[in-house]
Amino acid sequence: QQPVQSPQAVILREGEDAVINCSSSKALYSVHWYRQKHGEAPVFLMILLKGGEQKGHEKISASFNEKKQQSSLYLTASQLSYSGTYFCGTEDDNDMRFGAGTRLTVKP
Amino acid sequence: GAVVSQHPSRVICKSGTSVKIECRSLDFQATTMFWYRQFPKQSLMLMATSNEGSKATYEQGVEKDKFLINHASLTLSTLTVTSAHPEDSSFYICSAEGASTYEQYFGPGTRLTVT
Repeated sequence: QQPVQSPQAVILREGEDAVINCSSSKALYSVHWYRQKHGEAPVFLMILLKGGEQKGHEKISASFNEKKQQSSLYLTASQLSYSGTYFCGTEDDNDMRFGAGTRLTVKP
Repeated sequence: GAVVSQHPSRVICKSGTSVKIECRSLDFQATTMFWYRQFPKQSLMLMATSNEGSKATYEQGVEKDKFLINHASLTLSTLTVTSAHPEDSSFYICSAEGASTYEQYFGPGTRLTVT
């Protein structure tokens, strides 16, 4: 029931791109993305609702394919501040579940 | 496997009663635990940050006398909803963080329904 995130960890150089994937075995009506830095609460990035939408926020965007029950988070031209653990949360009719997280490290 | 558990997963209670929700880290010591509530199709709302052995830090607008948080050990934090009302019905989620940046997980959540 917990969504599966991949990769588990990724190391980038500043300016490189990354994609984080999130998949579920259940029919979803929304997907959430959060970034958490150690010692801090997760920061909400975006929510994607059923309907196959794509959203963007500066150089971070995401897509939601409801047919495949998959979402991807795209980080372009990564910055040092992007480092952290990224979680996807998936909502279905009954529950919300979070993935195990993807640890992203951006190096100079 | 799951490394953060919550109990109960679902609870129905009558208005005016209190409900305790437990959040446990199963294979690491959680120095910090966060408590959230979530309404359908909305993002998580941080309620409070709990550090082991000290008082929880509540977010603005969250009543600390209504939502009692106790982080008595490095593996357990509890959230007690006191004198629950129907508007407290929600999905409550905890996340636990260890000393390492690699120890950071969400619990499976607790669905509270107050009738």
